[in-house]
Amino acid sequence: DIQMTQSPSSLSASVGDRVTITCRASQGISNDLAWFQQKPGKAPKSLIYAASTLQSGVPSKFSGSGSGTYFTLTISSLQPEDFATYYCQQYNSYPLTFGGGTKVEI
Amino acid sequence: EVQLVESGGGLVQPGRSLRLSCAASGFSFDDYAMHWVRRAPGKGLEWVSGISWNSGATHYADSVKGRFTISRDNAKNSLYLQLNGLRPEDTALYYCAKDGGGNSGNMDVWGKGTTVTVSS
Repeated sequence: DIQMTQSPSSLSASVGDRVTITCRASQGISNDLAWFQQKPGKAPKSLIYAASTLQSGVPSKFSGSGSGTYFTLTISSLQPEDFATYYCQQYNSYPLTFGGGTKVEI
Repeated sequence: EVQLVESGGGLVQPGRSLRLSCAASGFSFDDYAMHWVRRAPGKGLEWVSGISWNSGATHYADSVKGRFTISRDNAKNSLYLQLNGLRPEDTALYYCAKDGGGNSGNMDVWGKGTTVTVSS
C-alpha cells in the first residue's frame, strides 16, 4: 500500500498569510494526487486533482504542485473561510490512501 | 446539481450487520465509479471501498475486506455498502463519493455522510 505523509499535522496562521502544506508518497504516484478541504461538520470538498488542476469553482488562491513523491498545497492569502483541515489523497493505485491531515488554525 | 444523499446508519451491536445506501442525482450515475470513505471520531479520512461504473471491479481497504460488500443499482441511481461483522473500530461517519471519471479514484463530489456507531 502507498503511504501518504502530510506535514505539518497542524499550523497556526493569520489572515493574509501564505500557507504551504506538504504531502509525501511512499512511492512514486506520478501526478495522481488530490487535495481536499474539510470543515467541522461538513463533507470534504475537492480542491485540486492531478496534483495541480483546480476543481471547478475553487478560487485561484489555492494552488498545487509536485509529481512523483513530493507534493505541495499553497494558499496564497489565508482568509477566515480557509481555516479547516486539509487532506491529500493518492489515486495511483488501490487501496486509495489519504494523508493524516493538516489542521489550519487561527 | 450533483447530489449524493447517504442513509442507513445507526447504532448497532458488535458482530451485527447494517446496510448503507447512497442516492445519487444530477449526473449520469451509470457513467461513473463510486466510493465509500469514512472518518472515525478524532481521526482522518479513510477510503473504504470503490466500485466501477458497471460493477465489474470492486476494491476494498484491508481493514474491511471480507466483511463489507459494495454494490450498486444503476437503474435506481443508488450505491450500497453492506457492513457485516461490525466492530467498534468501524464506528465512523460514512461518506459516499463520486469518482471524477475513468475509474480514476479521484473523488470530486461527496455526500454529507451517515453515522455508524458500533457499541454494546
